[in-house]
Amino acid sequence: LAKTTQPISMDSYEGQEVNITCSHNNIATNDYITWYQQFPSQGPRFIIQGYKTKVTNEVASLFIPADRKSSTLSLPRVSLSDTAVYYCLVGLIYGGSQGNLIFGKGTKLSVKP
Amino acid sequence: GAVVSQHPSWVICKSGTSVKIECRSLDFQATTMFWYRQFPKQSLMLMATSNEGSKATYEQGVEKDKFLINHASLTLSTLTVTSAHPEDSSFYICSARKTGAKQETQYFGPGTRLLVL
Repeated sequence: LAKTTQPISMDSYEGQEVNITCSHNNIATNDYITWYQQFPSQGPRFIIQGYKTKVTNEVASLFIPADRKSSTLSLPRVSLSDTAVYYCLVGLIYGGSQGNLIFGKGTKLSVKP
Repeated sequence: GAVVSQHPSWVICKSGTSVKIECRSLDFQATTMFWYRQFPKQSLMLMATSNEGSKATYEQGVEKDKFLINHASLTLSTLTVTSAHPEDSSFYICSARKTGAKQETQYFGPGTRLLVL
């Protein structure tokens, strides 16, 4: 299973765009990249998932370069409520039924007023 | 949507008792569910993979006789912590895999806080 590396923490201010980059150098051909958000004492919440290029939803954008060895989660105009830990994971099998998710340490994002 | 519930949300028990935690996928069927444990200020640690109708697969270092997993239906998996001890106190989180046409996504429950006295 591919390991991921993320910054341990990041600080931002309200209204700014935040970009969190994750490295996954040994990602497999069939692996998807998934990002989760976790607040204290809650289960992780699915944010976005992608395989290549760019994916956008109502919450965030995910940028994946051609070599797929990294990915960047972009949160537009963050607010105080975006303060949380963000996890980047790889390991789901494209179109298959195997694979599980191994959590790294995540990035603790602190948004200040 | 993809909603996963857990029950109870928190439980306090005496050392030596057993505690059962339920994980349900409310609006989709999940042939595979996962159980995680999270200690304070740490990341989630995968404990086991629960497959409907078959035995669970446990991660290395997780005692299968202590953490009993049953996945009897496509929407329900249970984790029973047998003879709980204070060191089992933790935040237990389940997830359910939702299979789509091209990809799969795991959706997580809200977690269960276990405190063993």
